Amino acid sequence: GAVVSQHPSWVICKSGTSVKIECRSLDFQATTMFWYRQFPKQSLMLMATSNEGSKATYEQGVEKDKFLINHASLTLSTLTVTSAHPEDSSFYICSARGQDIIISDTQYFGPGTRLTVL
Amino acid sequence: GNSVTQMEGPVTLSEEAFLTINCTYTATGYPSLFWYVQYPGEGLQLLLKATKADDKGSNKGFEATYRKETTSFHLEKGSVQVSDSAVYFCALRGPPSNTGKLIFGQGTTLQVKP
Repeated sequence: GAVVSQHPSWVICKSGTSVKIECRSLDFQATTMFWYRQFPKQSLMLMATSNEGSKATYEQGVEKDKFLINHASLTLSTLTVTSAHPEDSSFYICSARGQDIIISDTQYFGPGTRLTVL
Repeated sequence: GNSVTQMEGPVTLSEEAFLTINCTYTATGYPSLFWYVQYPGEGLQLLLKATKADDKGSNKGFEATYRKETTSFHLEKGSVQVSDSAVYFCALRGPPSNTGKLIFGQGTTLQVKP
């Protein structure tokens, strides 16, 4: 089946530093990738949608200069949290949708990245 | 706007009990509906889906029927197992479907005791 990986699975950083999270589709080409944020015991909130080779579309209230998204290839998207602060601590999840007609109807989710900002 | 509401958890059941997790939605047009499951320490996995009214999605003993008249997509399983313990998310993808955007409910934690 379609597999999506994320790296790292967890990261701890100091306030003011930047953190990059990678999302890879391992066995399919992802035309669209999505980035979500999940707070403890809460639902997933969509942060942005990225299409390969174009700028990401951010949801209302999400700071595009703080959460930089790059989707440079059909198998890789990155989320960079710039100048991270403790309130950015959260669980970040990516998902990918393929270009193959069979799997394009479904989003496949990565295992998530736990970010803790001290 | 589009939204999804799930019953609050946690839901605690004994093994072999019947499970229902309620999900209702608000959407314009004809959305596609999904149930995702998140096992401890893992990412979300698609459990089942339905793309039009009266469709029934099923997988691993779980079922959900797309009810447009009641705007509902309740998840059911006749006999739960300890291994079903997880967080279950109801979600919709509204038109235009080519955006792919999913709207999630708040999630319902299921705990099954032996």
